[in-house]
Amino acid sequence: QLQLQESGPGLVKPSETLSLTCTVSGGSISNYYWSWIRQPPGKALEWIGFIYSSGTTTYNPSLKSRVTISLDTSKNQFSLKLSSVTAADTAVYYCARDGNGDYWGQGTLVTVSS
Amino acid sequence: DIVMTQSPDSLAVSLGERATINCKSSQSVLYSSDNKNYLAWYQQKPGQPPKMLIYWASTRESGVPDRFSGSGSGTDFTLTISSLQAEDVAVYYCQQYYTTPRTFGQGTKVEIK
Repeated sequence: QLQLQESGPGLVKPSETLSLTCTVSGGSISNYYWSWIRQPPGKALEWIGFIYSSGTTTYNPSLKSRVTISLDTSKNQFSLKLSSVTAADTAVYYCARDGNGDYWGQGTLVTVSS
Repeated sequence: DIVMTQSPDSLAVSLGERATINCKSSQSVLYSSDNKNYLAWYQQKPGQPPKMLIYWASTRESGVPDRFSGSGSGTDFTLTISSLQAEDVAVYYCQQYYTTPRTFGQGTKVEIK
């Protein structure tokens, strides 16, 4: 059974870079797209971007200038970096496999505050 | 971007009654080469990640009760809960995965009347 788990700091200071990692277990990263999605408290879901197993990335234009998604196939992990964060970036961040199939992490709350 | 608009924003339904949620996309999500609608429905309960219920607009994910059904094509879609159970109280989202950026509806909150 494929499982995903987010990890990273729960508190980030304004103007700094948010960094999260998603570890995929129970299956291979190969031949799929792997997404980051976020949800501000009490609000709807927002797609941040994804990475294919080859390393090709696609980002949401609304965040593109600040986002980097990368892959470490040797560890079956993919990562998110979001730079120059503000309070508006406070959200639960989820990693997920794109497309059909219910494969999401449990989510991790990241708060941006000094 | 494809804008996904759900209606209503919330609804209250009696136990055992039908609940209907609508989702409209600003452009078609029907892929002509395979005749599939790239539209999914999710259920989210408080403190939990979204759970995929339906993909390709009408295919139930494994393990999802058959009281959940999806219909529609092109730009107009519906999620129906045929007989609402207490455990169905949640927020429901539609999502298009026809193109990037992937986009979600604003959510519909389902409660018990």
